[in-house]
Amino acid sequence: TQLLEQSPQFLSIQEGENLTVYCNSSSVFSSLQWYRQEPGEGPVLLVTVVTGGEVKKLKRLTFQFGDARKDSSLHITAAQPGDTGLYLCAGSGNEKLTFGTGTRLTIIP
Amino acid sequence: EAGVAQSPRYKIIEKRQSVAFWCNPISGHATLYWYQQILGQGPKLLIQFQNNGVVDDSQLPKDRFSAERLKGVDSTLKIQPAKLEDSAVYLCASRRPGSFTGELFFGEGSRLTVL
Repeated sequence: TQLLEQSPQFLSIQEGENLTVYCNSSSVFSSLQWYRQEPGEGPVLLVTVVTGGEVKKLKRLTFQFGDARKDSSLHITAAQPGDTGLYLCAGSGNEKLTFGTGTRLTIIP
Repeated sequence: EAGVAQSPRYKIIEKRQSVAFWCNPISGHATLYWYQQILGQGPKLLIQFQNNGVVDDSQLPKDRFSAERLKGVDSTLKIQPAKLEDSAVYLCASRRPGSFTGELFFGEGSRLTVL
């Protein structure tokens, strides 16, 4: 079973601060996705990274896929209250998609 | 296009009772997933269908959980008998055909409370 560990599990910071969420595994993935989930809703895709070392930017969010395709990070610049939610990484391999343990982010106005 | 539809949104039952959840994926999406999400955790895959065939059910507790997708469209997940630890949100998701790295589209989930 492929396991994806996310850290930190919980993060509460002030509006305007920067933060990084990590997603680590001992397994190699063909691609990795990041989703955000708000209370009472299903996860929504933010980005897919497929190449080792790939960096993608989505406004204030920067996603990086590790060179060995075993890990990924999500960096948020100048966090806003609208960034609050549960962030989930998900790795694809062997035709399966495995979700990480999740990081609950709270941005305090 | 219409999103993934799930029902019921909420269900409260007592342990040892049975419950069924229904999912209608996005039209044309061949792959359908059922996930179990314990509060605050990441979703755990229960079963994956490709059309009406099972691709992966290795983490489905088959002594109490069952799922079917008879006509390759909508799907039903059943729990019988329910245990306290089955309290969770059951998420259904679908994916476009032939895209194992593509986006999963999720429904809003069915929240189960077992008393």
